[in-house]
Amino acid sequence: GNSVTQMEGPVTLSEEAFLTINCTYTATGYPSLFWYVQYPGEGLQLLLKATKADDKGSNKGFEATYRKETTSFHLEKGSVQVSDSAVYFCALSDRSVGNQFYFGTGTSLTVIP
Amino acid sequence: NAGVTQTPKFQVLKTGQSMTLQCAQDMNHNSMYWYRQDPGMGLRLIYYSASEGTTDKGEVPNGYNVSRLNKREFSLRLESAAPSQTSVYFCASRTGGARGSPLHFGNGTRLTVT
Repeated sequence: GNSVTQMEGPVTLSEEAFLTINCTYTATGYPSLFWYVQYPGEGLQLLLKATKADDKGSNKGFEATYRKETTSFHLEKGSVQVSDSAVYFCALSDRSVGNQFYFGTGTSLTVIP
Repeated sequence: NAGVTQTPKFQVLKTGQSMTLQCAQDMNHNSMYWYRQDPGMGLRLIYYSASEGTTDKGEVPNGYNVSRLNKREFSLRLESAAPSQTSVYFCASRTGGARGSPLHFGNGTRLTVT
């Protein structure tokens, strides 16, 4: 079946530190992969996506590369800011199962000045 | 540029009461979804509507019903609320079908059942 596993949090970093949040997946078909971000009291917002192997999604300094050989889609940012404090969700959608979305459990990030 | 709008934002119910959560989108999307978010469990799909006139169960449909009123609106009804339904509920929509089309979320309804 389909599932997404992401590293457990919470993660606490100092401002300007390097961020990696690991995400691996299993899928019956050839999925599209997404990262969403959720700020306190808000809904999830699309951060970036990739639809085929070796694609790199990027937005606001965040990047993730679709690695089919390792079934991974790790989120990285070179220098985090306090404003990046949020919960990050990795997700996949798989057309072989009606285009349904599958979400990881989320990783809480706190960036301290 | 409203996107996905959910009402109400907050609600407190007593066990056994009923209520309807409203959701509307103005992006002309075909597909709409209801999720619940609980600590440590990510998002779980309750019901979805792939297109106007169709609805299907998701992972956790028990205790809920839905109505796809028209292309814009998709409501979620709790007929007899239980404490286990205390959660944050999110409505989402997407164009549907196209590879990689993302979900667009509302800001959620925070429901407490006492």
